[in-house]
Amino acid sequence: DQQVKQNSPSLSVQEGRISILNCDYTNSMFDYFLWYKKYPAEGPTFLISISSIKDKNEDGRFTVFLNKSAKHLSLHIVPSQPGDSAVYFCAASAGTYKYIFGTGTRLKVLA
Amino acid sequence: NAGVTQTPKFRVLKTGQSMTLLCAQDMNHEYMYWYRQDPGMGLRLIHYSVGEGTTAKGEVPDGYNVSRLKKQNFLLGLESAAPSQTSVYFCASNPESRAEAFFGQGTRLTVV
Repeated sequence: DQQVKQNSPSLSVQEGRISILNCDYTNSMFDYFLWYKKYPAEGPTFLISISSIKDKNEDGRFTVFLNKSAKHLSLHIVPSQPGDSAVYFCAASAGTYKYIFGTGTRLKVLA
Repeated sequence: NAGVTQTPKFRVLKTGQSMTLLCAQDMNHEYMYWYRQDPGMGLRLIHYSVGEGTTAKGEVPDGYNVSRLKKQNFLLGLESAAPSQTSVYFCASNPESRAEAFFGQGTRLTVV
């Protein structure tokens, strides 16, 4: 049973445009969410997080939106750059240090 | 500043062989984790530790054992490797439960 789902395995976007990566979850007890970026042959690196008490968190070109009623979060990257091409994972936790990861979305930013 | 270092980076095992993966972190983090990444499955938690001398099971613990004898090291053992354990293994650590986790570069293990 996949509690955290990233239904789009891949996404292609033109450089300079907005990239929107989506994540859905089923466990209503999840209260903290993170996004990680992963390049080939490297470990994931932290990108941005959001607590369930907020509905938006912004860090430079990256913004995460949380819709608790829909159990949905999204990561917006504006403007997209070729260096953003990577696999993006969302992760969620329910008041503990154990995170459940989604399956990832491969983003390709076309120059 | 090395961060999280995994040893080895690559390994090929025969079915039934044993091996230990080493994870070392130099950030004095309390929490450490072992994940495996498989195609279409994302990252799945195998075992984790909330401090020196402690270990606990994650989502997919069967076939693996762990030890955290020193705060900076977290070892993952495979007693009798199976082809189903072919995967990329990632170690991670964080200083507190809600902080971002720092990941190692991964170990690609193939069991034939």
